[in-house]
Parts: sequence; structure tokens; C-alpha cells
Amino acid sequence: GAGVSQSPSNKVTEKGKDVELRCDPISGHTALYWYRQRLGQGLEFLIYFQGNSAPDKSGLPSDRFSAERTGESVSTLTIQRTQQEDSAVYLCASSDPALQFFGPGTRLTVL
Amino acid sequence: QKEVEQDPGPLSVPEGAIVSLNCTYSNSAFQYFMWYRQYSRKGPELLMYTYSSGNKEDGRFTAQVDKSSKYISLFIRDSQPSDSATYLCAMNTDSWGKLQFGAGTQVVVTP
Repeated sequence: GAGVSQSPSNKVTEKGKDVELRCDPISGHTALYWYRQRLGQGLEFLIYFQGNSAPDKSGLPSDRFSAERTGESVSTLTIQRTQQEDSAVYLCASSDPALQFFGPGTRLTVL
Repeated sequence: QKEVEQDPGPLSVPEGAIVSLNCTYSNSAFQYFMWYRQYSRKGPELLMYTYSSGNKEDGRFTAQVDKSSKYISLFIRDSQPSDSATYLCAMNTDSWGKLQFGAGTQVVVTP
């Protein structure tokens, strides 16, 4: 079946603008994760959704970052007032139950 | 100190050689250990998944976990140029929840 999909694949924005990144998880997967990967580095956890439970937001770096998930489907990661240090690849993963499968990522460049 | 340490490489080996990768970690609560492969500009792809200590083999890949030493390894036998990628170790304390990643090791297999 289809894997995790993310859109857009690339996003270039100007400093101070808001951006929205979208993730479509694998159908039936109850858990969804967002990670950030800076150039040449490992993945950094941002937020985790599991069913109807309150999300684990412990990895969000500032209040400019937020995410929503509709039921057990699409999730949107929003970054407000983008800064140059937000430039990175944003990766989404879904799992059911334990194995996390990743999408291709959104490459965000903040000019 | 990072929770998960991984040498970033690059690690260059001739085709047919054994590739040896490893990670060390500090959190003794980690129980689930994974290895991901990431090609340039792609999302991570799950290679191996092990629970607790021991060995697991899958084709040319062998994963080892030594919880007493807080050390995990991945071996790739009969390496091919197509194995050239970045290999990321990851682990977590529960079967659900955020993964803690190493920085990734870049592997180059030369023909």
C-alpha cells in the first residue's frame, strides 16, 4: 500500500512568514510523529500524536511551532514567523504499533 | 553529552567488504533499537529492529545489542555500492513514543 506522504517536498520562504507542512500517514496507523533534521545531523523529535490522547509536544523548540492532527489521518505542522535557523528537513513518520515508517520529508529553506 | 553517540564518518570501504557500524547510549531504559538507512534527499528507511539484548540477522544485515555495555552494532556483509548511504541508529524506551537518534554514519562503498 501507499507509504507516508508529505507535501510540499520543498518550500522556500522569507524570514517572518508562516509555513504549513502536511503529512498523510499510512492508512490505519494510529501514531504520527514529526521530526526535524538539520543538515548533516540526526533526527530531532518534535511532536507525537497517539489516537485520541493528548499529543506529546515536548520536542517543539518554541511556541512558534504547532501541529494538529485530524483523527487518525492528516497532520499539519505550522511554523509561525519563520527564522533562518528553522531551515531543515521536516520528516513525518507513522506507526502501528511500534515500527516507525518515514515519509520523504519537506525541505524548508528560510531566506 | 548526547543520549546516543554515533561516529558521523565518512566510512569508506571497498565493494565486498564488511561494514561495521555502532552506537553507544547513556539511557539504560532504552529497550527497542532500530537501524535506518537514508539515501541522499530521501526519508529514513527502516532496516532492522531489535528488542533488548541479542543478535538479529536479515539477509546481509546483522544487528547486535549489548545492553550491559550500552552498545549496538550493525554489520553489512558483502557490501555493494548501493549500500552507500547514511545509517542512523535509533532507540526508545517503549514500543510507542519518540525515537532518540544518533547523528548518522555516512558509508561509501567503492567499486
